[in-house]
Amino acid sequence: KAGVTQTPRYLIKTRGQQVTLSCSPISGHRSVSWYQQTPGQGLQFLFEYFSETQRNKGNFPGRFSGRQFSNSRSEMNVSTLELGDSALYLCASSSTSGRNVYNEQFFGPGTRLTVL
Amino acid sequence: AQSVTQPDIHITVSEGASLELRCNYSYGATPYLFWYVQSPGQGLQLLLKYFSGDTLVQGIKGFEAEFKRSQSSFNLRKPSVHWSDAAEYFCAVGPYAGNMLTFGGGTRLMVKP
Repeated sequence: KAGVTQTPRYLIKTRGQQVTLSCSPISGHRSVSWYQQTPGQGLQFLFEYFSETQRNKGNFPGRFSGRQFSNSRSEMNVSTLELGDSALYLCASSSTSGRNVYNEQFFGPGTRLTVL
Repeated sequence: AQSVTQPDIHITVSEGASLELRCNYSYGATPYLFWYVQSPGQGLQLLLKYFSGDTLVQGIKGFEAEFKRSQSSFNLRKPSVHWSDAAEYFCAVGPYAGNMLTFGGGTRLMVKP
């Protein structure tokens, strides 16, 4: 079974631009979570989707948004990029919502975003 | 609010030596606890998890961790470190409001030959 895939793996943008990152979960998984990893702030939760519904959102500005499609693939978008948005963006998928039953989350390799 | 502290940012051990990475958590309910490993340029791989029951849990790659509720700790151990264990290790607690995990700051492990 293929793992979590994220595209693109590397991305360079300039301040003020917007960017869209994609995550394809493991087949059959309906939950996708996104995390931002930076040297200064560590791993921080961005948001989580389950069956196309955003279930939870971390403490990030509204420039960060996401969505999930009916095939469970998810995208996250960052508008008006700032230098501080440079980070590794990780997504994780799970077969459950985590509310009544928790199953392991599997992480993708991440998308390295550099903002110049 | 939940939080995780990993007091050691960097640790260097000699190959073949034992290893213990510390993790302290704060969580309002009965926690699920996790240890993940991240190699350079890679995502996170789950080493082991604690949900309930036996407080000593075994994981992959020869790692184990012990849950101590009285100390709010979940330390990771390995009796003999291999050079391939060099990586960054993250302790996490959750899930909270779904699949959300809260991670510690990480401990970077270096292995001396």
